[in-house]
Amino acid sequence: EPEVTQTPSHQVTQMGQEVILRCVPISNHLYFYWYRQILGQKVEFLVSFYNNEISEKSEIFDDQFSVERPDGSNFTLKIRSTKLEDSAMYFCASSQGRGDNQPQHFGDGTRLSIL
Amino acid sequence: AQKITQTQPGMFVQEKEAVTLDCTYDTSDPSYGLFWYKQPSSGEMIFLIYQGSYDQQNATEGRYSLNFQKARKSANLVISASQLGDSAMYFCAMRVTGRRALTFGSGTRLQVQP
Repeated sequence: EPEVTQTPSHQVTQMGQEVILRCVPISNHLYFYWYRQILGQKVEFLVSFYNNEISEKSEIFDDQFSVERPDGSNFTLKIRSTKLEDSAMYFCASSQGRGDNQPQHFGDGTRLSIL
Repeated sequence: AQKITQTQPGMFVQEKEAVTLDCTYDTSDPSYGLFWYKQPSSGEMIFLIYQGSYDQQNATEGRYSLNFQKARKSANLVISASQLGDSAMYFCAMRVTGRRALTFGSGTRLQVQP
């Protein structure tokens, strides 16, 4: 069964450094998402991406964050000048269409640790 | 704004028994979808089941069923014949029509005992 693939599984970065989290969505999916889950807290929506542009973003997704689909398969989340509070599990997800019943399929996540 | 409430931080169930995980939601939007996800200890999020706000029948997917009570704004997940592999964190989530963001609850940790 096709799945969303995220790399790396664990990323350790010094505070203030830039980090890029990578995702390969399911191949025939058109909508892509990033979520984060701070340890012990709820999963929070960051951003959705469709047709090479951001279609929706949350208050969390400020100028520190950016997303890109550099080629036909990868979808990336860049965090500039990381802070300690950026430490979290980051999930990429994709969905096939925009219908209400289209579930978002999640990857295994990247655990980001900021030191 | 949307809100999902899961009031059971942890649940225990005996193997082969059924268990109900509670979820209540709050939204002023008339059209929305409700989702349940499973998160094993390995961390991945696995989609289980979907219920649309206008669906007349409760959704079922194998051993999973959704007890949808629209007037009460509840969408409880029922797992029948629990298996040891069902031990995981379970999240209820909602998306309103026209938006892409899923709003998640805080989750319920289910432990299936032999």
